Amino acid sequence: DGGITQSPKYLFRKEGQNVTLSCEQNLNHDAMYWYRQDPGQGLRLIYYSQIVNDFQKGDIAEGYSVSREKKESFPLTVTSAQKNPTAFYLCASSRSLPGSSYNEQFFGPGTRLTVL
Amino acid sequence: QKEVEQNSGPLSVPEGAIASLNCTYSDRGSQSFFWYRQYSGKSPELIMSIYSNGDKEDGRFTAQLNKASQYVSLLIRDSQPSDSATYLCAVKDTDKLIFGTGTRLQVFP
Repeated sequence: DGGITQSPKYLFRKEGQNVTLSCEQNLNHDAMYWYRQDPGQGLRLIYYSQIVNDFQKGDIAEGYSVSREKKESFPLTVTSAQKNPTAFYLCASSRSLPGSSYNEQFFGPGTRLTVL
Repeated sequence: QKEVEQNSGPLSVPEGAIASLNCTYSDRGSQSFFWYRQYSGKSPELIMSIYSNGDKEDGRFTAQLNKASQYVSLLIRDSQPSDSATYLCAVKDTDKLIFGTGTRLQVFP
């Protein structure tokens, strides 16, 4: 079964803790993305990666960190520096063809993070 | 700052009617456009992509693109209560997507 998996589905964090959200894909996609969605709002890009060992900041990268050591995996760490981390976190992936106008993104099921 | 604008709704339509969802974008050079459906509490699901001016049909869904006027729309024919969801418009910007805030559609029996 090809797809994108995210774990855990629900995560609770205490103030001052770092937590890591997992994202794995077996679609052989080159590009992976992390978004944050707050209630009633659209998606905001946190980080993205076009190739292994390289990633770029999105619009709201402060307080987050990522790594891309394998093509299939793109974990997101929410650090204690993120002041308001309670949100729905979505991972996505896409093919990344040079010069392509396409690059449809497909999403994982999401992780809902709550800070206690 | 490149922007994608959608009316937040809710857009309420009776079962069997045509639902029309609209999206405008600020970057005249944009080439790729996408519609996602998001049920409450779930992740977005890609339902349509469109790259050329005109209409693209897929089942009950039709995407319409007008690059000169910088708008893209999604028509849902024979709307069903199961179509009730938030519909997100996205526009490709170099190597990432810019999303609108979504339009909530309610289809009532």
